[in-house]
Amino acid sequence: AQKVTQAQTEISVVEKEDVTLDCVYETRDTTYYLFWYKQPPSGELVFLIRRNSFDEQNEISGRYSWNFQKSTSSFNFTITASQVVDSAVYFCALSENFGNEKLTFGTGTRLTIIP
Amino acid sequence: AAGVIQSPRHLIKEKRETATLKCYPIPRHDTVYWYQQGPGQDPQFLISFYEKMQSDKGSIPDRFSAQQFSDYHSELNMSSLELGDSALYFCASSLHGTATAGTYEQYFGPGTRLTVT
Repeated sequence: AQKVTQAQTEISVVEKEDVTLDCVYETRDTTYYLFWYKQPPSGELVFLIRRNSFDEQNEISGRYSWNFQKSTSSFNFTITASQVVDSAVYFCALSENFGNEKLTFGTGTRLTIIP
Repeated sequence: AAGVIQSPRHLIKEKRETATLKCYPIPRHDTVYWYQQGPGQDPQFLISFYEKMQSDKGSIPDRFSAQQFSDYHSELNMSSLELGDSALYFCASSLHGTATAGTYEQYFGPGTRLTVT
């Protein structure tokens, strides 16, 4: 069975600070996919990134960066120079290989950026 | 770019009534997923379809059924509604995964907020 743990329930930081959201996963598959989604107060789920288990290269997209470490089963998300618009609930999710693509979500981290 | 469309956006029903939620996937996406998100909770997978066939099933109550049509849109039918069915229902769509490409990302619609009174 697969499981995703986001130990940080809520985080508050002052605008322009950097913040890292932690994600730890469990799976017995050797091929799997990791995702991050953002859920702003308006309620929609916005796709941020997909990473497969064979690609441990870190990724940067603007102020967002992701650190994938198979050795610790972690897929952490860092926002640099946070902005008020980053306030949202962030979900880490896991899916297995094709044929079993359903997403298993973590419980989410509510991020509040204080102006 | 076109996104996933869900209707209605809000729905209020009484206990024991029925409800039908509709989902129109992103053009060219052939796989549809349904998720239920209770207040303050993470989304939970209900059911998925590929090429009009059910491809996977999660914790979907027997009172719920769903199908995918030839134009790839999907409908979630909910009967004998209970107070506990009040939630945000998301539909997501993606391209179907393959052995070489693996699993694709899912794009979510805005959700249907169902309130059962």
